Amino acid sequence: DTEVTQTPKHLVMGMTNKKSLKCEQHMGHRAMYWYKQKAKKPPELMFVYSYEKLSINESVPSRFSPECPNSSLLNLHLHALQPEDSALYLCASSQEIRVAGESDTQYFGPGTRLTVL
Amino acid sequence: KNQVEQSPQSLIILEGKNCTLQCNYTVSPFSNLRWYKQDTGRGPVSLTIMTFSENTKSNGRYTATLDADTKQSSLHITASQLSDSASYICVRGTYKYIFGTGTRLKVLA
Repeated sequence: DTEVTQTPKHLVMGMTNKKSLKCEQHMGHRAMYWYKQKAKKPPELMFVYSYEKLSINESVPSRFSPECPNSSLLNLHLHALQPEDSALYLCASSQEIRVAGESDTQYFGPGTRLTVL
Repeated sequence: KNQVEQSPQSLIILEGKNCTLQCNYTVSPFSNLRWYKQDTGRGPVSLTIMTFSENTKSNGRYTATLDADTKQSSLHITASQLSDSASYICVRGTYKYIFGTGTRLKVLA
């Protein structure tokens, strides 16, 4: 099973709303990632969790708040977003984070299409 | 400047035809180079992975080649199908992926 699931598929929210994106994997992976992807652009890394601890924050605004409740789940809490935050949000997981040598394959979920009004 | 450049930016071909997508990278040191396929509005799916010592890798109708001397990779698609219509992304990097600019392929009936 190489599946990463994400919910919801689509989300429309106002700038004052609070919502959460969810990601789940059951491959036993210990690294999980959040990416943001705008139309016709490659994914941009936002956060990386390794063994349920935040390892990388790519200077993401505080209106995005990640959470890793356990090794299978990854959440992204959203608050006071701006219209420019509208994008496809992708979750990915890999076996581990390797700082040297060959990297592990990242498996991506189908994404959540977020629209901020 | 993106460290992984892809060409062409977009491509339209007829069903059944072959095509080749190009990837030039400037990042080093080299660990591995990957090709992903991304359908519109979906997450990327891994097609091939090549290490420094490999110069070709196949996955069905997809064949990737790598020339580490010239820092170039290509993805050849044989006998294209309508379902091949997608973006193809070349990726370099370790735990922190460096994504290429992508090639949008459209296969017409």
